[in-house]
Amino acid sequence: QSALTQPPSASGSPGQSVTISCTGTSSDVGGYNYVSWYQQHPGKAPKLMIYDVIKRPSGVPDRFSGSKSGNTASLTVSGLQAEDEADYYCSSYAGSNNLEVFGGGTKLTVL
Amino acid sequence: EVQLVESGGGLVQPGRSLRLSCAASGFTFDDYAMHWVRQAPGKGLEWVSGINWNSGSINYADSVKGRFTISRDNAKNSLYLQMNSLRAEDTALYFCAKDGGDYGDFGHWFDPWGQGTLVIVSS
Repeated sequence: QSALTQPPSASGSPGQSVTISCTGTSSDVGGYNYVSWYQQHPGKAPKLMIYDVIKRPSGVPDRFSGSKSGNTASLTVSGLQAEDEADYYCSSYAGSNNLEVFGGGTKLTVL
Repeated sequence: EVQLVESGGGLVQPGRSLRLSCAASGFTFDDYAMHWVRQAPGKGLEWVSGINWNSGSINYADSVKGRFTISRDNAKNSLYLQMNSLRAEDTALYFCAKDGGDYGDFGHWFDPWGQGTLVIVSS
């Protein structure tokens, strides 16, 4: 049950776009369309941003979008805003034994 | 408004036990699967355990299998985590999270999350 691989950090200037990757295997990310993304500000609980790879919950700005290719999922934040600065975690279904696995997290800095 | 409130955390010695609770409100509790997710200080998220609506499907992370037991009481709108044989590496903020799936089964996403309860395992 290995964690999904995310870059430890990412950054962009206000208004720019940034993409965060999440790499797994064919037993998790590549095997199912059950990737989700969470935003966590310091001292706060995580917040769902994307689920089922590409779906966006109501209330989440359409600047946030998800995609997947093979064993790698991605979260793209367009039109970066200061409030987007946070930690982002991906998660994937990993089969009936281990159920769910998270990525190590990516700290997004808005320059 | 959906609300999840965890309780039961605290300082406990290695090898001892602790029981966490999560009180749910604002939704029909027995329509949804539930999960526990933890976060060690300064570290990332780690899924711990999940339970479907009627406790018929229960899963654990390898790191807690055989030591932790998840359960729920639908009549009390509550989720529990019994933690036995605690180790220093179990020190973390424990979050309760509602699963997003339909019909009480696992949808494999978490929304919303509670604010967490802190467990510190130390002598």
